[in-house]
Parts: sequence; structure tokens; C-alpha cells
Amino acid sequence: EAQVTQNPRYLITVTGKKLTVTCSQNMNHEYMSWYRQDPGLGLRQIYYSMNVEVTDKGDVPEGYKVSRKEKRNFPLILESPSPNQTSLYFCASSLIGTNQPQHFGDGTRLSIL
Amino acid sequence: AQSVTQLDSQVPVFEEAPVELRCNYSSSVSVYLFWYVQYPNQGLQLLLKYLSGSTLVKGINGFEAEFNKSQTSFHLRKPSVHISDTAEYFCAVSVGSGGSNYKLTFGKGTLLTVNP
Repeated sequence: EAQVTQNPRYLITVTGKKLTVTCSQNMNHEYMSWYRQDPGLGLRQIYYSMNVEVTDKGDVPEGYKVSRKEKRNFPLILESPSPNQTSLYFCASSLIGTNQPQHFGDGTRLSIL
Repeated sequence: AQSVTQLDSQVPVFEEAPVELRCNYSSSVSVYLFWYVQYPNQGLQLLLKYLSGSTLVKGINGFEAEFNKSQTSFHLRKPSVHISDTAEYFCAVSVGSGGSNYKLTFGKGTLLTVNP
């Protein structure tokens, strides 16, 4: 089954404790992206990647890091999480092309205390 | 830069009533338009997309949308809604110009609540 898998689905942690949210897709997609969803703000793009070793900033990259060492994986790293990063995070992937629909994971709800 | 405005943050309707969720976009180049649906505690699923050709696009679950270039709109419609259509709906735009921009810009979402 074609899917985008995020882990963990839920996490409660404390300020400053480094964490990684993993994202994996099995569709051989070149393009992967991270979004955060906040009430009343919709989805905002954090980082995206066009292919292995190619990443770029989205609209709200501050406080986040990403890496793309393999085509299927695109982890999101919070080196020193802060409460304003409490949010619902989605990973998505697609084939290359502006007209390609993105496939989304089920989301990761992070609470930073 | 492109932007998307969803004119209603919440739309309550009764079951079997028609519904229209409004979306307007702005872009100086040609666009690709999408509607995604998010059911509670789930990720986003593609409902339908407009790439080119016929301006009336049909999607899953009986939804359709009409692309109106002169009004820069892409409103979503369904003639008769069900309780199971209760979800948040997102309009999104992606610009096309030689494939150099892969950014998908989302609206802020419209919560559709279908009441019995």
C-alpha cells in the first residue's frame, strides 16, 4: 500500500530536549515536504526536498532542521524545541512537478512544555 | 507570490442540503488548483484537482469544483451532503512555470459541519 509514515504520532516533551520526527514514503517520490498546522493558520511549509541531498527552506524554517540522505526518508529535527513549536506536523511526498498532488502522512502532534 | 483565501472558516449545514465552499486565489502566472479534505485525526487527502482543460472538475465523494479564471476562484460544491462529509477542507494552489517552483500554498481551511 502506497503511504507516507510518520513517527511518533504523538509526543509530549520539554523545552530544549532534542527530538526527531521521522517520515518515510514507499512511492519512490523525489519531492518531500514538512508542514505545520496551527488553528486558524492552515498549513505552512517548514522545509522541502527535491531529491537526495537537496533541501530548501519553506515559509517557517526557524528552529527546524532536515536531512535527505535517502530518497525514502526525510526526518524533521528540532535541536532545541520551544513551546511555540507545539503544533501538528505533516510530512508529504509527491512526484516532481507543480501539478503533482501531494500524499500526506497521518500527522504528528507535538507538545513542548 | 501566490496566495489562497478561503472566505469561510466554518460552514454548518443540514444533511442532504447543498453546500459551496469558497476559494479565491491570486497569482500572476498559470496555476494548478487543488482541494484537500482532512477528516478528524487524519492527514490530508486529495479531493480533486484542476490542471487544465475543462473548468468543471469532478472529484471523489460526489464533490466538484469550478475553475473561474476571470474571478480567480475555485469553489467546491456538493449537491447533497452527508454526515460523513464533516471535515476540514483546504484549497491549495501551485504555480506552473517550467516546473521550477514546487511550492504548494494552502488556504486556512473551512470546517464543514453537517448536522442531522
